[in-house]
Amino acid sequence: EPEVTQTPSHQVTQMGQEVILRCVPISNHLYFYWYRQILGQKVEFLVSFYNNEISEKSEIFDDQFSVERPDGSNFTLKIRSTKLEDSAMYFCASRFSRQGISNQPQHFGDGTRLSIL
Amino acid sequence: AQTVTQSQPEMSVQEAETVTLSCTYDTSENNYYLFWYKQPPSRQMILVIRQEAYKQQNATENRFSVNFQKAAKSFSLKISDSQLGDTAMYFCAFMKTGTYKYIFGTGTRLKVLA
Repeated sequence: EPEVTQTPSHQVTQMGQEVILRCVPISNHLYFYWYRQILGQKVEFLVSFYNNEISEKSEIFDDQFSVERPDGSNFTLKIRSTKLEDSAMYFCASRFSRQGISNQPQHFGDGTRLSIL
Repeated sequence: AQTVTQSQPEMSVQEAETVTLSCTYDTSENNYYLFWYKQPPSRQMILVIRQEAYKQQNATENRFSVNFQKAAKSFSLKISDSQLGDTAMYFCAFMKTGTYKYIFGTGTRLKVLA
């Protein structure tokens, strides 16, 4: 069964550095998402992406964050200048869309653990 | 704003027994979807079961079933004949029609004991 894949599984970065988290969604999916989970807290929505643009973003997704689908297969999350509080597990998800059916679930990757030092 | 509450941080159950995980949510919406996801240790989240709010019939997937009480805004998950492989973190999620983003609960860590 096709899966969403995320790389790397663990990223350690110095505070203030830029980091790029990578995701390869399931190939025929059209909607893409990033979520994060700070240790011990709930999974929080960051951003959704459809048709090469952001469709919705949360308050967490400020100017330090950006997303891109550079080559039609990868879906990346960039954090420009990382802060200690960016340390979290970041999950990518994708979803197939079929006209008239809106209850199709999101498929999640294994996550990238981001540690900011 | 919608919120999802899972009041049981941890639960355990004996193998072959039945366990119920609770989930409540708060919304003023009438059309939405509810999901239960399972996250085994060091693995990705996997969909367990989904429920459309407009359907009165409770969803069932093999050993997994839900008790959806729309008026009470409750969406509990029942696991029958628990297996060791059911050991995982279980997340309840709410999705409003049209937005497609999930609002998650804090999760319940379930341990199935041999």
